[in-house]
Amino acid sequence: DGGITQSPKYLFRKEGQNVTLSCEQNLNHDAMYWYRQDPGQGLRLIYYSQIVNDFQKGDIAEGYSVSREKKESFPLTVTSAQKNPTAFYLCASSITGDEQFFGPGTRLTVL
Amino acid sequence: LAKTTQPISMDSYEGQEVNITCSHNNIATNDYITWYQQFPSQGPRFIIQGYKTKVTNEVASLFIPADRKSSTLSLPRVSLSDTAVYYCLAYTSGTYKYIFGTGTRLKVLA
Repeated sequence: DGGITQSPKYLFRKEGQNVTLSCEQNLNHDAMYWYRQDPGQGLRLIYYSQIVNDFQKGDIAEGYSVSREKKESFPLTVTSAQKNPTAFYLCASSITGDEQFFGPGTRLTVL
Repeated sequence: LAKTTQPISMDSYEGQEVNITCSHNNIATNDYITWYQQFPSQGPRFIIQGYKTKVTNEVASLFIPADRKSSTLSLPRVSLSDTAVYYCLAYTSGTYKYIFGTGTRLKVLA
């Protein structure tokens, strides 16, 4: 089956820790994205990547980092510099000019 | 990238047609209008996309007038399972960036 997967589904982090959220797709899409969603709010773009070994900051990149070493993978690291990381994180992929396909999301909670 | 404006919430009854209007005054010539549906704790799902006039698929219709300053998503005969948040966004052809607004929370009542 083709699709996009995220892991883990739930993640708990202590303050001051870095955590990495996984995103994998087997749709052969060039572009991948990370969004953050807070309760009752829309999606905000964190980072996006148009092609392997290249990525751009979105609207709220501070406190986050990404890598794109493989076409299939676009992991997101939430660093200790992110002051309010508790949120629902969504990964997506697409080909140019076409719809985005979203993963199931990771809910991150800071304890 | 064009910003979009939509109503925060709407209520409807089962079996009715629902129309959600989105304003996009500064849409660019090569922007497409795209609608997504999101259920709680899930990723958004693509519904429909259009450039002008009318587009119809198996779940919805999209109406975009000639001036392209607004668009309307039409959901025929909604059911309880259509209760969700609906997002209108402008997508610029040739780029990879999508801008999501706060969406319209549709509640379908029995």
